[in-house]
Amino acid sequence: SQQGEEDPQALSIQEGENATMNCSYKTSINNLQWYRQNSGRGLVHLILIRSNEREKHSGRLRVTLDTSKKSSSLLITASRAADTASYFCAPYQAGTALIFGKGTTLSVSS
Amino acid sequence: DAGVIQSPRHEVTEMGQEVTLRCKPISGHNSLFWYRQTMMRGLELLIYFNNNVPIDDSGMPEDRFSAKMPNASFSTLKIQPSEPRDSAVYFCASISGHLRQFFGPGTRLTVL
Repeated sequence: SQQGEEDPQALSIQEGENATMNCSYKTSINNLQWYRQNSGRGLVHLILIRSNEREKHSGRLRVTLDTSKKSSSLLITASRAADTASYFCAPYQAGTALIFGKGTTLSVSS
Repeated sequence: DAGVIQSPRHEVTEMGQEVTLRCKPISGHNSLFWYRQTMMRGLELLIYFNNNVPIDDSGMPEDRFSAKMPNASFSTLKIQPSEPRDSAVYFCASISGHLRQFFGPGTRLTVL
């Protein structure tokens, strides 16, 4: 198992702005997943990008994956106050468990 | 589907007492994970099971912690004896294949 490292640790933006979070990892992966955690709740899966994909969209979310740089980014467009949460990336290797880093705490103010 | 079910949702106990946390994974999921989350240490993987068999328990803090999965629909995490530093939110999660992981609502444990 390997842990992803999110950057920045904290991000504060205004409603309507875009939020970009980055993730780095160390070894080869089968896929990379992004999760969100609202305060006091369990993590919720947002999006999964496979190792042979470079970009994926889901609603206001856009995820990129660069396997040569071992990095991924999560872009939330037109952010809303409800997007306030912690975001975690989880690089996945077959046969192992998901390990989570400290996450990026996003605050969206109205 | 009810999702991953954890009980109790909150537990307050005194140091030295035994604590048992319970988890029911999503039906059909063949892997189950126990995580612990604190402000200081973040979200830590404690142990995970594949097809009811413990695969990696290297994250279990010490011998006071034990986990079992007697069947595909039930798992327990036991702490005996509990200590104040065990206070945390404990999450159970399940997964099928290489797809997304589903988390339970967590058990907030406070050890006085």
